[in-house]
Amino acid sequence: DSGVTQTPKHLITATGQRVTLRCSPRSGDLSVYWYQQSLDQGLQFLIQYYNGEERAKGNILERFSAQQFPDLHSELNLSSLELGDSALYFCASSAWDRGNYGYTFGSGTRLTVV
Amino acid sequence: GESVGLHLPTLSVQEGDNSIINCAYSNSASDYFIWYKQESGKGPQFIIDIRSNMDKRQGQRVTVLLNKTVKHLSLQIAATQPGDSAVYFCAETGSGGYQKVTFGTGTKLQVIP
Repeated sequence: DSGVTQTPKHLITATGQRVTLRCSPRSGDLSVYWYQQSLDQGLQFLIQYYNGEERAKGNILERFSAQQFPDLHSELNLSSLELGDSALYFCASSAWDRGNYGYTFGSGTRLTVV
Repeated sequence: GESVGLHLPTLSVQEGDNSIINCAYSNSASDYFIWYKQESGKGPQFIIDIRSNMDKRQGQRVTVLLNKTVKHLSLQIAATQPGDSAVYFCAETGSGGYQKVTFGTGTKLQVIP
């Protein structure tokens, strides 16, 4: 157990639908990052939050949005889903503010859009 | 934009031999580099990191080498074991931590028993 919790582990939904992925960072970590990984592909950065505020944005589609709540958990919302959105979605947290720049990843949510 | 890439997508190594996984980066402002291991169905796992003021760092059976002159990073795994079979990603980031970590495309390491 890495300390980063992601739910659900698997999600199957139809095109056009909306889903919410949830992430609880490792205890004490203020930064949360979301990544998308398509089949046999690398990790594509989506968005970063620090202590509730958006800090950096990557190649995140307008159909996607995220937020980080006061208790530091984060949610990634994916709407108007398309087949191409099927992927593994990873959340990671870090304690860069305490000098630890390494990421701790959760086990991911596998999204299948049918 | 800036990118971090890997030279070889797949590497097959005999069990017991040493493995070397290479990575090129293009952002000269990067000052922190990380190697991650991702086993099938799992999230990436931190292996080892190195700062730009170093050229070598050793861990348990792993060594990371950094050549800033040619913007090259490598991960050496000694006495490769079947459990080392995974996809390895290099990653880079700038200072401050606000900046996102950019991952390379990954190299799949296959250990032949």
